[in-house]
Amino acid sequence: EAQVTQNPRYLITVTGKKLTVTCSQNMNHEYMSWYRQDPGLGLRQIYYSMNVEVTDKGDVPEGYKVSRKEKRNFPLILESPSPNQTSLYFCASSTGTGVHRAYNEQFFGPGTRLTVL
Amino acid sequence: SQELEQSPQSLIVQEGKNLTINCTSSKTLYGLYWYKQKYGEGLIFLMMLQKGGEEKSHEKITAKLDEKKQQSSLHITASQPSHAGIYLCGAAGRGRGGADGLTFGKGTHLIIQP
Repeated sequence: EAQVTQNPRYLITVTGKKLTVTCSQNMNHEYMSWYRQDPGLGLRQIYYSMNVEVTDKGDVPEGYKVSRKEKRNFPLILESPSPNQTSLYFCASSTGTGVHRAYNEQFFGPGTRLTVL
Repeated sequence: SQELEQSPQSLIVQEGKNLTINCTSSKTLYGLYWYKQKYGEGLIFLMMLQKGGEEKSHEKITAKLDEKKQQSSLHITASQPSHAGIYLCGAAGRGRGGADGLTFGKGTHLIIQP
């Protein structure tokens, strides 16, 4: 089944304790990205990757890191989490317009609910 | 960056009634996506529109993109309880996320009353 998986689904942590949220897709997609969703602010893109070893900042990258060592995985790293990073996080993937020159369906993971105390 | 305005913010509709949700942009839309989200859960892809005047339907949901490509509407016919949730429109290529990065509206909360 074509899907984007995220782990963990729920996480409660404390300020300053490094954490990683994993994201994996099985569709051989080139484009992957991370979003956070907050009440009143909607979904905002954090980081994206157009291919292996190619990552770039989205609209709200502060406090986050990512890596893309393999095509299927795109982990989100919070080196020193703070309470303002409490949010619902989504990973997404798509084939990318660079390949097909047309917009394609973007697949979203189930979400990771993070609470930073 | 792209700003998307969704209206209404929330909608309560009696089961069986039709409804329309709008998504308006200040700039031309390229790759306009509609998603549905159950509260606190993931996003379910509904439809994607690219061409001016394009219209797509799936079951009882129809999405349209106007000729000027600045407004899209999502219409649900004969609403059912399963249609309840948050509807999000997303525009491609207008934020910092490259051509495929989506900028979303704030969503429309749809409640279906039995």
